[in-house]
Amino acid sequence: ETGVTQTPRHLVMGMTNKKSLKCEQHLGHNAMYWYKQSAKKPLELMFVYNFKEQTENNSVPSRFSPECPNSSHLFLHLHTLQPEDSALYLCASSLRLGDNTGELFFGEGSRLTVL
Amino acid sequence: GEDVEQSLFLSVREGDSSVINCTYTDSSSTYLYWYKQEPGAGLQLLTYIFSNMDMKQDQRLTVLLNKKDKHLSLRIADTQTGDSAIYFCAEKATGFQKLVFGTGTRLLVSP
Repeated sequence: ETGVTQTPRHLVMGMTNKKSLKCEQHLGHNAMYWYKQSAKKPLELMFVYNFKEQTENNSVPSRFSPECPNSSHLFLHLHTLQPEDSALYLCASSLRLGDNTGELFFGEGSRLTVL
Repeated sequence: GEDVEQSLFLSVREGDSSVINCTYTDSSSTYLYWYKQEPGAGLQLLTYIFSNMDMKQDQRLTVLLNKKDKHLSLRIADTQTGDSAIYFCAEKATGFQKLVFGTGTRLLVSP
């Protein structure tokens, strides 16, 4: 139990659907992140939030829309996705942005399948 | 740009030592990390090393850093079946906010 909870754990959606992934952290951290994990590819940083403000958008297509209503919650809204967007989406948090200990606390991920 | 490379797969027998290798391109990398991802779980920080160190040891884990060759390795002594997981190498430059991860190396430990 890392203190970072992601729901749902598995999601299957069609290309025309709209769905959301949710992440919640109970660690009192100030920075939250979305990563995409695809087979045989480096772990890919998508978005970074620091004190609810987005500080990085790593050239992510607009069909992915993040939302951070407070420092404990992070959402990833999904619409008109493509089959190549199927992946494991990982949420992470850290006490501070750019903390040199590098300690990110990850959730277990949401496995997304786009049909 | 930054790039971190790892081999995708390593298979060892229980009781042997495992060595997982990583190369990185950013010469300004000052911190390097090893994360472990067990099946069905997120990543968990195993250890990290500052670039002015050559080696760091923590129980069964030994991290070696060759800064000249930009090569990082993780040695697991007396590998156990519970060590089967994906191991990610990551690097960060001072003043930068984000970690850059590799592809991960899947370690399979057979009895």
